[in-house]
Amino acid sequence: NAGVTQTPKFRVLKTGQSMTLLCAQDMNHEYMYWYRQDPGMGLRLIHYSVGEGTTAKGEVPDGYNVSRLKKQNFLLGLESAAPSQTSVYFCASRFNTGELFFGEGSRLTVL
Amino acid sequence: KQEVTQIPAALSVPEGENLVLNCSFTDSAIYNLQWFRQDPGKGLTSLLLIQSSQREQTSGRLNASLDKSSGRSTLYIAASQPGDSATYLCAGMDNYGQNFVFGPGTRLSVLP
Repeated sequence: NAGVTQTPKFRVLKTGQSMTLLCAQDMNHEYMYWYRQDPGMGLRLIHYSVGEGTTAKGEVPDGYNVSRLKKQNFLLGLESAAPSQTSVYFCASRFNTGELFFGEGSRLTVL
Repeated sequence: KQEVTQIPAALSVPEGENLVLNCSFTDSAIYNLQWFRQDPGKGLTSLLLIQSSQREQTSGRLNASLDKSSGRSTLYIAASQPGDSATYLCAGMDNYGQNFVFGPGTRLSVLP
């Protein structure tokens, strides 16, 4: 039982490049979330999903896209990376009204 | 917009002390509340979850309580140890049952 797994853990991009972060959970959770964590800004919600095939915008969705084609996976895409997207990205998942579980994070640097 | 405050922002105590961390929400309409710890460079680890029908939860040396009328929660750590050194974050789920709002965290250092 791996819990919530994020790949990759580290990535360096140049401005304008694209990439996808993968989040996989093996707990059969309905809800999945993508957050970013920045010094002095705390954790901010980017996008979330309440079930397979559904996605919704969070607090800071601009510049990101997501997909939830399979219940266990939640993908976060950056189509044209910007230095402002340098951050640590966390994925989390949970059952309905249940405990939230986090992945170990993905550190992204955009040059 | 829901905002969360955690007091103090940082705390340094000698080993063995009992301590209290505070968390408050501008909107007291919180469905449930969860406390996490985060070690440097790591993800968030769940400590305690207080469900909508509960007022407190206990796990080992940790006790968390939630006063829904005021939108305030406290995390009590008994007999602190150097291994407790971390950042502690609280998060409240909104009454729609979908999203959490996180506090900025309290950075705790327990000195041997």
